[in-house]
Amino acid sequence: QQPVQSPQAVILREGEDAVINCSSSKALYSVHWYRQKHGEAPVFLMILLKGGEQKGHDKISASFNEKKQQSSLYLTASQLSYSGTYFCGTETDSWGKFQFGAGTQVVVTP
Amino acid sequence: NAGVTQTPKFRILKIGQSMTLQCTQDMNHNYMYWYRQDPGMGLKLIYYSVGAGITDKGEVPNGYNVSRSTTEDFPLRLELAAPSQTSVYFCASSYTTSGPQETQYFGPGTRLLVL
Repeated sequence: QQPVQSPQAVILREGEDAVINCSSSKALYSVHWYRQKHGEAPVFLMILLKGGEQKGHDKISASFNEKKQQSSLYLTASQLSYSGTYFCGTETDSWGKFQFGAGTQVVVTP
Repeated sequence: NAGVTQTPKFRILKIGQSMTLQCTQDMNHNYMYWYRQDPGMGLKLIYYSVGAGITDKGEVPNGYNVSRSTTEDFPLRLELAAPSQTSVYFCASSYTTSGPQETQYFGPGTRLLVL
């Protein structure tokens, strides 16, 4: 089952904050966050693992609630460069099988 | 390092034709993946491989085949192309020893149009 992301889209002014959520119906081994700019390949932002370990971007933070099978990505003091589509990817019941959510489009305006 | 490279960048196929999308990585990664991304949509996993000689199906494998004879290469074969296979195809790789997946590095993508 594909993870569910919300919201589908968000428009921010520079400096504003936003939260993107990702939820799964299955127990999660890990949650990954990627950002994709139009016409480009996805780029890694962060990995969150069971037990609380995080690896990734030092200016974007995220949380992982194992009990609720949810993750949230926090865009703080947004910059124009944060614009793009954010995808969460989840690893659930089989190593290697990866599923991405449908994405959240973020537009940061001056 | 070139990272993950994909060829061709763009291709137009006629219905019923076949083709192979090439993917090569020079990072000595053991895991490799093929995704498709339809316009305005997320990425769907087609096939993946955990090492040379080992492949497995993802969410949307129908109409595709893969092989992994070397660590570096993971070609995706389309047989009997259909308009529904019009998409952007991304190859990715990661190095994972045990446990959860590590960072996936994506190639630039191949845009495929089936007419």
